[in-house]
Formats: sequence, structure tokens, C-alpha cells
Amino acid sequence: KQEVTQIPAALSVPEGENLVLNCSFTDSAIYNLQWFRQDPGKGLTSLLLIQSSQREQTSGRLNASLDKSSGRSTLYIAASQPGDSATYLCAVKNDYKLSFGAGTTVTVRA
Amino acid sequence: GAGVSQSPSNKVTEKGKDVELRCDPISGHTALYWYRQSLGQGLEFLIYFQGNSAPDKSGLPSDRFSAERTGGSVSTLTIQRTQQEDSAVYLCASSLGGPEQFFGPGTRLTVL
Repeated sequence: KQEVTQIPAALSVPEGENLVLNCSFTDSAIYNLQWFRQDPGKGLTSLLLIQSSQREQTSGRLNASLDKSSGRSTLYIAASQPGDSATYLCAVKNDYKLSFGAGTTVTVRA
Repeated sequence: GAGVSQSPSNKVTEKGKDVELRCDPISGHTALYWYRQSLGQGLEFLIYFQGNSAPDKSGLPSDRFSAERTGGSVSTLTIQRTQQEDSAVYLCASSLGGPEQFFGPGTRLTVL
């Protein structure tokens, strides 16, 4: 069974600091890895999707890396803003199912 | 519509009652998924529909849970004889069968 772990569980930083969120998974036979953002009381917003053959994906201030062999992914958010405050979820896809980590709750202080 | 929609957005029910949660996937999406997000448990897979194939029900936690998808579009998740541990946010997602799943806003279920 795929196990996904996210560290840290919570993070508080001052505005402007770079954020580093970590995700690890136990079964490296994945199709892809996806990072989501979840705001309180809301659904999931997809941020980045990395195919198993890729090493990283970038979108604006966001960059995600994938090391499939070691079962790790890192999400970097540059120059954080208060609007980045949310819970960030990592999910890996085996077959058609997504297995999720518990999330990292980020607070960016103005 | 433009995205996945779910109704109701919030549901409060008494223990022992049955509830139905609805999901409208993105038009044309052949795959539909239900997930549950419980406090302290994270998101867990419940059930998967793909076209006319038999659904994968392996994630349903008990036989009180069932789901159907009519006409390859709308899906209903039914929970019979609700228990307090069923309280959670139920999320629906759809996809074209490709790599990305698109999530709805969820239904927050509270069982008193």
C-alpha cells in the first residue's frame, strides 16, 4: 500500500521568505505526482503535476522536483506572500488512484 | 459547467439517517472518483468509475456506503444509517482518463 508523508505538518514564515515543502512516498512505481492547494472550507486546486518521467515542473513562483527512485518530491515557493497561506497536499498516482499526504499548513505573516 | 460541482455543500444529519451526496463531473469526463477527507485522517480514496466498466469499490469503508453513476455522468454517493465517524468532507473528482484529476468543492457532512 502506498504511504505518503509530508513534512513539516505546519510552517509559518514572514512574507518574502522562500518555502520548502517535502513529500515522500513508499512505492516508487507511480505514474505521476501532483501538488494541490486547499483553502479552508474549499476543494483542491491543482498546482503542478509531474509525470514519472520528469524531474521537475515550474509555474510562476512554484517549482516542484521529483526523485522517483528515492521516493521524494519537493515543492518550492519563491518570495512567499500572505495569499500563499493554505494547506498544500502532495498526491501520487498508482494505477488510477491518488494517495494523499496529510498536508503542510502554511502561514505567511505580513 | 466549467468545473466539477457537488451538492449539497453542507449537510447536517442525525445518526441513523440516510444521506445522498451528488457530484456533477466536467462534461465529457469519463472517469469519476470519490474521496473522503476526515479530520486527522487525510484524504482517502473511496470509489472509481470509468466509462461503462464495473466500478472499483475497494475504498468504501463499509457496506453502508454505495455509489452509482447514471448515464456516465452524474454520480450519487449514498451513506445508509449514518454514524458519527462518517462526518467528513466528501470530495468528487473527474478526469478524461489522463494524468490529472479535477476536484469539486466538496460536501461537508456532519452527523450529530
